[in-house]
Amino acid sequence: AQSVSQHNHHVILSEAASLELGCNYSYGGTVNLFWYVQYPGQHLQLLLKYFSGDPLVKGIKGFEAEFIKSKFSFNLRKPSVQWSDTAEYFCAVNFYAGNNRKLIWGLGTSLAVNP
Amino acid sequence: DGGITQSPKYLFRKEGQNVTLSCEQNLNHDAMYWYRQDPGQGLRLIYYSQIVNDFQKGDIAEGYSVSREKKESFPLTVTSAQKNPTAFYLCASSGGRTRGGETQYFGPGTRLLVL
Repeated sequence: AQSVSQHNHHVILSEAASLELGCNYSYGGTVNLFWYVQYPGQHLQLLLKYFSGDPLVKGIKGFEAEFIKSKFSFNLRKPSVQWSDTAEYFCAVNFYAGNNRKLIWGLGTSLAVNP
Repeated sequence: DGGITQSPKYLFRKEGQNVTLSCEQNLNHDAMYWYRQDPGQGLRLIYYSQIVNDFQKGDIAEGYSVSREKKESFPLTVTSAQKNPTAFYLCASSGGRTRGGETQYFGPGTRLLVL
């Protein structure tokens, strides 16, 4: 079955620390990849996405992610986190097949950044 | 203002009662989705609709029902058969028939509490 796994459920960092959140998926075919973020009290919003082309994708607020096809991974990175990055982060994958628009979601990673 | 609206923000249900959650979008998107979010469980798909007058069950459809009579609207009914309805419910939509139409945009959510 298609699945998405996020390795870290809870991450605690100090401001200015570097961040890397892992995301792996189970399928070897064509995929579309997403990272979403949910700030406290706010709705889920798109952080970045990858469909094709350059495997290093830049998103909002200084986030980036790298698609490594051979490792079925799409890890999220930020060189220096801020207190305002405290949020829940979700990786999602569309296992592309024609008109299929369903996303398979990871369980999420809760990030707390201490000032 | 383009976007997805969900109402109400909070909803209280008595035992044995059906309740309906509203979701409206003015993004002209073809596809709409209902998710349930519980702590530590990520997003789980309840129902989705790729076109008007058509919808499919997601992973946890039991105890829920939907309709899609208009492109803009995708209401979710939580029936008395749903044994554990207390959760945060998220509505999303996605548009376009080309690759990239899988990007989902979310509403602010409805928190359902059982009294």
